[in-house]
Amino acid sequence: NAGVTQTPKFQVLKTGQSMTLQCAQDMNHNSMYWYRQDPGMGLRLIYYSASEGTTDKGEVPNGYNVSRLNKREFSLRLESAAPSQTSVYFCASNRSNSPLHFGNGTRLTVT
Amino acid sequence: GDSVTQMEGPVTLSEEAFLTINCTYTATGYPSLFWYVQYPGEGLQLLLKATKADDKGSNKGFEATYRKETTSFHLEKGSVQVSDSAVYFCAQASNTGNQFYFGTGTSLTVIP
Repeated sequence: NAGVTQTPKFQVLKTGQSMTLQCAQDMNHNSMYWYRQDPGMGLRLIYYSASEGTTDKGEVPNGYNVSRLNKREFSLRLESAAPSQTSVYFCASNRSNSPLHFGNGTRLTVT
Repeated sequence: GDSVTQMEGPVTLSEEAFLTINCTYTATGYPSLFWYVQYPGEGLQLLLKATKADDKGSNKGFEATYRKETTSFHLEKGSVQVSDSAVYFCAQASNTGNQFYFGTGTSLTVIP
């Protein structure tokens, strides 16, 4: 059982480049989330999707877009990367009122 | 608004020492509470949880009790091991179950 799978594991971008972070879960969870983790700031929610076909902004959505492609997949897109978006990005999923299950993260550096 | 505050680290302990990591929360209503652990290079894994007041979550020798009167959920372990070295996050879930709030994490290093 793979759980939550994120790709890529590492990425280096130049300022202004775009990229999409992919996330897929095989646990039939309704809800999916994107977080970023920065030193001393814990995890901050970027966007979440409570169910297929819906997405909502979290605490830090600026500079990001998301797509809930189907029940399994939830992608995060950076249209024009900035150095402030250097971070570790985590995808997570859950059933309602249940704990989150996390992927292993994508480490993104923007130069 | 809802938030979680946890003890800042880093924490360094000798093997077999007692561990406490403090966590307090601010919430409307009665959230579910969690401790997650993150090993180097990995995502967060659920360590334990409690869903109502006075519940005690436990796993792998770790324990935490949901204290409504002090709005706390402190993590404890009686005898830590080198393999417990990791970053620990306290978290709460909103009543709707779709909003999770995390503390900033506490790094623990256990030395032999």
